[in-house]
Amino acid sequence: NAGVTQTPKFQVLKTGQSMTLQCAQDMNHNSMYWYRQDPGMGLRLIYYSASEGTTDKGEVPNGYNVSRLNKREFSLRLESAAPSQTSVYFCASSGTLVLDQPQHFGDGTRLSIL
Amino acid sequence: KQEVTQIPAALSVPEGENLVLNCSFTDSAIYNLQWFRQDPGKGLTSLLLIQSSQREQTSGRLNASLDKSSGRSTLYIAASQPGDSATYLCAATDNYGQNFVFGPGTRLSVLP
Repeated sequence: NAGVTQTPKFQVLKTGQSMTLQCAQDMNHNSMYWYRQDPGMGLRLIYYSASEGTTDKGEVPNGYNVSRLNKREFSLRLESAAPSQTSVYFCASSGTLVLDQPQHFGDGTRLSIL
Repeated sequence: KQEVTQIPAALSVPEGENLVLNCSFTDSAIYNLQWFRQDPGKGLTSLLLIQSSQREQTSGRLNASLDKSSGRSTLYIAASQPGDSATYLCAATDNYGQNFVFGPGTRLSVLP
């Protein structure tokens, strides 16, 4: 039972490079989320997708783009990486956007931008 | 804008002790509140979710309460064990009930 799977687990980039973080869930969930976690700041929502085919901005969307490829997969893209985007990125999913169901998280992608 | 705080930032207790973790939120018009556990290098694991109409939820040795009027939630852990050592985060919904706003977490160490 994989749950939410994120790839890669670790990545080092140079300023200005681009990359895509991948996320897939096997729980048939409708809603998916991308968060970043920085020391002492808790998790902050970057983008979310209420259902297949829809995406919306969260609290800190600048510098990121997302794609809800299908019901299972939700990717996060950094077009031109900046040192301020050094963080741990978490993908999560839940049955519906109505938050009466718990969110399930992946193990995170640790991203360093030099 | 919903803001969530957690005090203390870190807590160390001897094994077997009962303990309480605190979570405060600024906007009482929440949809629900969720408590998570995070182990080092791992993602978050949902522990308890309390709907706005509920006052508490229990799971095993864990009990979470919700007082919307005071903007507070507490997570009570009974008979703590070294395996309970982790960071505990609470998250309250924003005003529209669409997304969670997370607190910074309390790092708990239970000493054998």
